[in-house]
Amino acid sequence: EDQVTQSPEALRLQEGESSSLNCSYTVSGLRGLFWYRQDPGKGPEFLFTLYSAGEEKEKERLKATLTKKESFLHITAPKPEDSATYLCAVQGLYAGGTSYGKLTFGQGTILTVHP
Amino acid sequence: GAGVSQSPSNKVTEKGKDVELRCDPISGHTALYWYRQSLGQGLEFLIYFQGNSAPDKSGLPSDRFSAERTGGSVSTLTIQRTQQEDSAVYLCASRLTGTAMREQYFGPGTRLTVT
Repeated sequence: EDQVTQSPEALRLQEGESSSLNCSYTVSGLRGLFWYRQDPGKGPEFLFTLYSAGEEKEKERLKATLTKKESFLHITAPKPEDSATYLCAVQGLYAGGTSYGKLTFGQGTILTVHP
Repeated sequence: GAGVSQSPSNKVTEKGKDVELRCDPISGHTALYWYRQSLGQGLEFLIYFQGNSAPDKSGLPSDRFSAERTGGSVSTLTIQRTQQEDSAVYLCASRLTGTAMREQYFGPGTRLTVT
């Protein structure tokens, strides 16, 4: 069974204080690791897909990296508008015609950036 | 373009009543997913539709839950004889298939409260 663990559960930063969020995973053959951002009362917003170890993706102040066991979401010089819950999810290997594309999510990291 | 839409945005119902939740996926997306997000829980997979194939219902928590997708587009999730533990945010997501991209795009969700 695929599993995803995110840490920390909550992170409070000062504006400009860089940090990283962790996503540890176990999966029966990784088809993709996904990062989403979720604001209160809204659905998750897609950020990145990573497919293989060593891959990196960047978008504004965010950079996602991937190893065989974990992914990091690095936040450089965050701003208050980066405050949100960040979700990590994995998609495992296609298995006999069922659950294809099903995502397994972690519990999320609640990020608060103070001005 | 238009994203995934869901209705209603909020639904309050009495225990024992049936409810229907609607999802309109992104035009051209053939894969459609339903997830549930409960307070303190991560996103939990419920059901998956792909084209004309039989849906993957492996995540439905009980036989009170059912879903259908008409014409390969709009989907309806039905919960019969609602219970208080069904209170959650129900999220729909869609995905473009036949390409290398595997990310799912989420709607805003329906917040269900069972009193």
